[in-house]
Amino acid sequence: DTGVSQNPRHKITKRGQNVTFRCDPISEHNRLYWYRQTLGQGPEFLTYFQNEAQLEKSRLLSDRFSAERPKGSFSTLEIQRTEQGDSAMYLCASSLVGGLVSNEQFFGPGTRLTVL
Amino acid sequence: AQSVTQLDSQVPVFEEAPVELRCNYSSSVSVYLFWYVQYPNQGLQLLLKYLSGSTLVKGINGFEAEFNKSQTSFHLRKPSVHISDTAEYFCAVSRTGTASKLTFGTGTRLQVTL
Repeated sequence: DTGVSQNPRHKITKRGQNVTFRCDPISEHNRLYWYRQTLGQGPEFLTYFQNEAQLEKSRLLSDRFSAERPKGSFSTLEIQRTEQGDSAMYLCASSLVGGLVSNEQFFGPGTRLTVL
Repeated sequence: AQSVTQLDSQVPVFEEAPVELRCNYSSSVSVYLFWYVQYPNQGLQLLLKYLSGSTLVKGINGFEAEFNKSQTSFHLRKPSVHISDTAEYFCAVSRTGTASKLTFGTGTRLQVTL
């Protein structure tokens, strides 16, 4: 169990560029979540996957955002045409539904995005 | 929908003193309750959770919390804090059932000084 990993840890980009983040969950965890955390706030839910199926998306997830989990393992979050308001920490979490510790989400270290 | 209110944005405390971080929630359905800690530039680590059963929940690092359904509260306590407890603490709720999304409060910054 190596924990949830996220890459890159930091990303600086110019307004209008596209960015993609990757999350590798704990192996065999079947649920994967994305959250966004802005300065001074708690994390806000964006979307989650059960295996490869995207089951829920927040209204925060505008059409410039897309997330995938193609093989039910790692996930990517892409932001197209970035805006300064997208600057935030993007957190990934995973959990095992049906396991003994169901409902516990394990978080990665996050990717901090800065849009100039 | 659920919401969480953390009443204190910052709590300064001296080392070895007791501390209480307050959390109130609102929900029209049954919920699970969680406390997470976040150290600078790191992700969130689960301190403790209430799913059912005893309303007094013990977690890691000497923390405990008590679920009070009538007051819709889930306050976090530690009898004696250490410098290393300095961090941001988040209260969160999810509706009961299998691993649904978390709704977080805005966080409380615990600052422990000598």
